Amino acid sequence: AQRVTQPEKLLSVFKGAPVELKCNYSYSGSPELFWYVQYSRQRLQLLLRHISRESIKGFTADLNKGETSFHLKKPFAQEEDSAMYYCALKAWTGNQFYFGTGTSLTVIP
Amino acid sequence: EADIYQTPRYLVIGTGKKITLECSQTMGHDKMYWYQQDPGMELHLIHYSYGVNSTEKGDLSSESTVSRIRTEHFPLTLESARPSHTSQYLCASSEYGRQTGELFFGEGSRLTVL
Repeated sequence: AQRVTQPEKLLSVFKGAPVELKCNYSYSGSPELFWYVQYSRQRLQLLLRHISRESIKGFTADLNKGETSFHLKKPFAQEEDSAMYYCALKAWTGNQFYFGTGTSLTVIP
Repeated sequence: EADIYQTPRYLVIGTGKKITLECSQTMGHDKMYWYQQDPGMELHLIHYSYGVNSTEKGDLSSESTVSRIRTEHFPLTLESARPSHTSQYLCASSEYGRQTGELFFGEGSRLTVL
């Protein structure tokens, strides 16, 4: 079975502080992992994917197969980072996407 | 401009009514999905389609039905709406294949059943 766990429903940090949103997964195959973000009154959109190994809006995420984690990190949080963040796993079988419950990030000015 | 469109954005209806949520995409994608989004809950896949005349049920049991007569169109229908159907419904599309995996979402349809 595939499952994505985001242990924090709510996370608040001060502007300029580092932020880490946790994501753990369980999957029997080789996973493809994503972070999606939903800003207020906007649609859900892709933030980054582990295959690209890129930094988007200062965010990075490293796939740790040993710990089955894909935590999202940013060294200095900005107010515009306040949003809902979803971790997602793509299963090769059927091309299905499985989402976590999401973490609502609030960056305090 | 390539995009994915959902209508209506908001709908308030009474119990027992039949409703159809529309979803159209101009992305040229084969695969389309319907997700249900509730606060504090994971996005639940309720229906998906690999292409024309293909429809499958997702992990979350749903009383809704879908059809895929045209590549770009994937409507969701509730024959008799109930208050338990109150939710946000998200339509998404993607290219089908191992090398591409991004899901593109519509803006959502928020349904309230009184």
